[in-house]
Amino acid sequence: DAGVTQSPTHLIKTRGQHVTLRCSPISGHKSVSWYQQVLGQGPQFIFQYYEKEERGRGNFPDRFSARQFPNYSSELNVNALLLGDSALYLCASSPPPGLKAKNIQYFGAGTRLSVL
Amino acid sequence: AQSVTQLGSHVSVSEGALVLLRCNYSSSVPPYLFWYVQYPNQGLQLLLKYTSAATLVKGINGFEAEFKKSETSFHLTKPSAHMSDAAEYFCAVSVFNDYKLSFGAGTTVTVRA
Repeated sequence: DAGVTQSPTHLIKTRGQHVTLRCSPISGHKSVSWYQQVLGQGPQFIFQYYEKEERGRGNFPDRFSARQFPNYSSELNVNALLLGDSALYLCASSPPPGLKAKNIQYFGAGTRLSVL
Repeated sequence: AQSVTQLGSHVSVSEGALVLLRCNYSSSVPPYLFWYVQYPNQGLQLLLKYTSAATLVKGINGFEAEFKKSETSFHLTKPSAHMSDAAEYFCAVSVFNDYKLSFGAGTTVTVRA
């Protein structure tokens, strides 16, 4: 089975532009989470979606938004890009809730965003 | 809120030596704990997880970790380092019914021949 897939792998934008990142979860997974990993740091939680509803949001400005589609794929949108938005953006999917799920998250390879 | 602290941002070991990476957590409710590995220019791969069953957890690639509630620790070990273990390792914490993972800052492991 395919793992979590993200596109594009790399992206270069300039300040003030808008960007859309895409994620497809593992088949059967209905939950998608987004994380930002700045160079040299651990990933920081941005959003979590389950069954197309936002379940959680991290401490990020309103320039960051996301949505989940009926096929459980997801998009992360960032408006008015700043230099500080340069990071690796990771998507993770989780198995359906239940005793065996145990909050396990499986990550994609990420999208490397550079803002110039 | 949950958090983890990873002691030591860099660890250097000789090939064949013990690898020990330290992680301490903070949580007001029973935690779920995870170790992930990240190779250069790649995403995160799950090494192992503690989810309230056995306190000694075995993972992939010969790694294991022990949950110690009294010490609020979840240290990662491997008896004999291999060159392929050179990577960055992240400890993460979550709690029941909350899919958010809170990560530590990471520990970079280098392996000397």
